[in-house]
Amino acid sequence: KQEVTQIPAALSVPEGENLVLNCSFTDSAIYNLQWFRQDPGKGLTSLLLIQSSQREQTSGRLNASLDKSSGRSTLYIAASQPGDSATYLCAVRNLGGSQGNLIFGKGTKLSVKP
Amino acid sequence: EAGVTQFPSHSVIEKGQTVTLRCDPISGHDNLYWYRRVMGKEIKFLLHFVKESKQDESGMPNNRFLAERTGGTYSTLKVQPAELEDSGVYFCASSQGTGRTEAFFGQGTRLTVV
Repeated sequence: KQEVTQIPAALSVPEGENLVLNCSFTDSAIYNLQWFRQDPGKGLTSLLLIQSSQREQTSGRLNASLDKSSGRSTLYIAASQPGDSATYLCAVRNLGGSQGNLIFGKGTKLSVKP
Repeated sequence: EAGVTQFPSHSVIEKGQTVTLRCDPISGHDNLYWYRRVMGKEIKFLLHFVKESKQDESGMPNNRFLAERTGGTYSTLKVQPAELEDSGVYFCASSQGTGRTEAFFGQGTRLTVV
């Protein structure tokens, strides 16, 4: 059974710092991994989608890497800003089964202090 | 283009009552998913529609939950009768395909059963 773990559960950093959020998963048989952002009381915003054949994806100050064989992904945020404060979630889509549903971690709550 | 839309954004009902949540997916997306996040837990899959057919309903907690997608457009999730443990945030997502495609989420419906 696939399990997704995110470390740390919470992180507080000063503005301008570069930071890394970690995600690990137990079953490497995945189609892809998706990083989301959730602001308080809001929905999930998709940040980056990495297919199983890819090693990394970049969007602006965000860079996500994927090491499928070791079951790990990282989300790197460069030059953090107070507006980056949110909960960051990673989710994997398994091979097999209905190939539809995502399995989520509990998330990392990020606070960037001005 | 409109994103995934959910109604209502919040609902407070008494134990034993009935509540119906609605989701309008992105136009043209055949795949529609329901997820739920209860307090302190990760977001968990409930079910997956492909057009009007239920592809996977393995995550539905019990028979008090009924999901429909008549005509393959919008979907409803009815909880009848509601119990205290049904409280949480219910998310809807849609995608064009399964497997490698990206999922887009709505803002969620926060359900509180008192």
